[in-house]
Amino acid sequence: AQSVTQPDIHITVSEGASLELRCNYSYGATPYLFWYVQSPGQGLQLLLKYFSGDTLVQGIKGFEAEFKRSQSSFNLRKPSVHWSDAAEYFCAVGRLGGGYQKVTFGTGTKLQVIP
Amino acid sequence: DAGVIQSPRHEVTEMGQEVTLRCKPISGHDYLFWYRQTMMRGLELLIYFNNNVPIDDSGMPEDRFSAKMPNASFSTLKIQPSEPRDSAVYFCASSPQGIAKNIQYFGAGTRLSVL
Repeated sequence: AQSVTQPDIHITVSEGASLELRCNYSYGATPYLFWYVQSPGQGLQLLLKYFSGDTLVQGIKGFEAEFKRSQSSFNLRKPSVHWSDAAEYFCAVGRLGGGYQKVTFGTGTKLQVIP
Repeated sequence: DAGVIQSPRHEVTEMGQEVTLRCKPISGHDYLFWYRQTMMRGLELLIYFNNNVPIDDSGMPEDRFSAKMPNASFSTLKIQPSEPRDSAVYFCASSPQGIAKNIQYFGAGTRLSVL
């Protein structure tokens, strides 16, 4: 069974500082990997995804993530955080291949941005 | 497209009452998901449909919960009778067929409070 671990429940960064949110997954084959963002009172919105190919993927709002198979990681990064990035971030893993398999979400990391 | 539409946005009810949550998926999407989000348990998949047919309802907590999808543009999640521990935010999401079928598009959620 696939699983996702987000070791940081809560992170605080200063506006303009760089950001890295950690995500580790467990899955026997090549996974689909996702990062979603949830603003207060809203549903989850896809930031970026990895299906195959280049292991460094670019997403919306200036975010990027790097798939590292050897470390089973898919960390999310942003070089300079804006106050509007304050939200909760979810890493997710799905199965690559035919047929649908349910996507497993991590427990989320809440990001606080201070002036 | 207007995205996934959920109604109501907020629901306050008394224990023992029937609650019905509604969802309109994105037109053309073949998969529909119901999730529950709580502080304690995070984001849990309750059930998902493919082409209006329930595929996996193993996440439905108990017989008090039921979900239907009478057509491609409408789904309901019903709780009868409701209990205080059902208080949570319930999300509906939809997903297209094909390579993008693992990308889920979320509604804004229904915040349910059972008193």
